[in-house]
Order: sequence, then C-alpha cells, then structure tokens
Amino acid sequence: AQTVTQSQPEMSVQEAETVTLSCTYDTSESDYYLFWYKQPPSRQMILVIRQEAYKQQNATENRFSVNFQKAAKSFSLKISDSQLGDAAMYFCASLFGNEKLTFGTGTRLTIIP
Amino acid sequence: EAQVTQNPRYLITVTGKKLTVTCSQNMNHEYMSWYRQDPGLGLRQIYYSMNVEVTDKGDVPEGYKVSRKEKRNFPLILESPSPNQTSLYFCASSLAPAQLGTDEQFFGPGTRLTVL
Repeated sequence: AQTVTQSQPEMSVQEAETVTLSCTYDTSESDYYLFWYKQPPSRQMILVIRQEAYKQQNATENRFSVNFQKAAKSFSLKISDSQLGDAAMYFCASLFGNEKLTFGTGTRLTIIP
Repeated sequence: EAQVTQNPRYLITVTGKKLTVTCSQNMNHEYMSWYRQDPGLGLRQIYYSMNVEVTDKGDVPEGYKVSRKEKRNFPLILESPSPNQTSLYFCASSLAPAQLGTDEQFFGPGTRLTVL
C-alpha cells in the first residue's frame, strides 16, 4: 500500500529562524507527485508547494522549499525566515500513479515570537 | 473570487437524524471530492466525482452518500449519522482529477460535525 508518514506531530521555531518538517513515503511507482498543504487556524487547506517526482530540481516558492530525496523517499519542507503567520498544521500529501491523494497525519508548527 | 463554499460550518446533531452538508464551487471545476479529517489520521477521501452524474467511492465511503446533479454542487449526505462520523469535513475541487497531479485542489473552509 502507498503510505505517507509524518513523524513529527509538533514542531516549534523562533520567529525569523528556519525550520524543516519531515515527510517520508512508500511507493513502488516511478511517477508521482508530492505536495505540502498548510492548514491555519481557519482550517482551510492551502497548497504550499508541489513537486513532480520526475523533476530533479527541488521546488521553491518564496520562503518555502523542499528537499526531495527520491532514493530515500523523503520530501521535507523547509521554511526560511519563519513568520507568525506560518503557524499552522502542515500536511504532506502524495499522488502515486493513478491512486487517490494520500495525506500524512500532519505536523503542528508553532512560531515563537 | 474563486472559492469553494461549504454549509454549514458547524453542526451538532443527534444519532439517526439525516443531514446534508452542501458544497459549491464557482470555478467550473469538473473534479470534486469530500474528505474527513480526524486527529492522528490526516485526511481521508470519502467520495469523489469526475463530472456531473459521475461519482465513486473513496477510502471511507461507509455511511455517506453524494450526488452530482450540477457541475458546481457536490452535497454530502448522511442518511443516519452515528457518533463515529463526528469529524471535520472538507470539500475540494480541481479542474482535472487529482490523480493527474497537474492542478491544485481547492479546499473549502471545512465543516465541523458533531453527532451525539
């Protein structure tokens, strides 16, 4: 079965510092997509960043970047210059082959002023 | 403004009382789906719809029904709610099926359902 694992239920970081959220997955597929979603207290789900497995270059969106290690099946999210508005629940998600979108269990990120 | 709306946002009900959670999108998206979010389990797909009159089961469809009579609407129906359906529910839509991974899924604001 395809799985997505987030092993850090909670993380905290000082404002303006950098934090990395971990995500690992398991699949036998060679073509797939990986996503990070942010869920702020408003509970809305917001796409943060997307990575196609066939692309070797790590995706970047402003202060958000990923470290995609295909061989290790790892897809971590790095948030630079953390801001108070980054406080949220972060979900890693994946699309393996033709399967459904699969979510991890989430990491709650706290920003310390 | 492009958005997915859900109603109600909060609902407390009793076991066995039929309820419907509405979902509507204004982006002319073909693909819509419903998820439930539970602590420690992340989001799990309940049902999805590829287009009008086309629906299919997700990972946890038991106890739920859906319909897609119009492109913009995708209501979630609980015919006889039970306490284990207490959860946070999200509707999502995208231009193409999530399986293609080429289009962002837009999520609604969520509906907090409590079944007593």
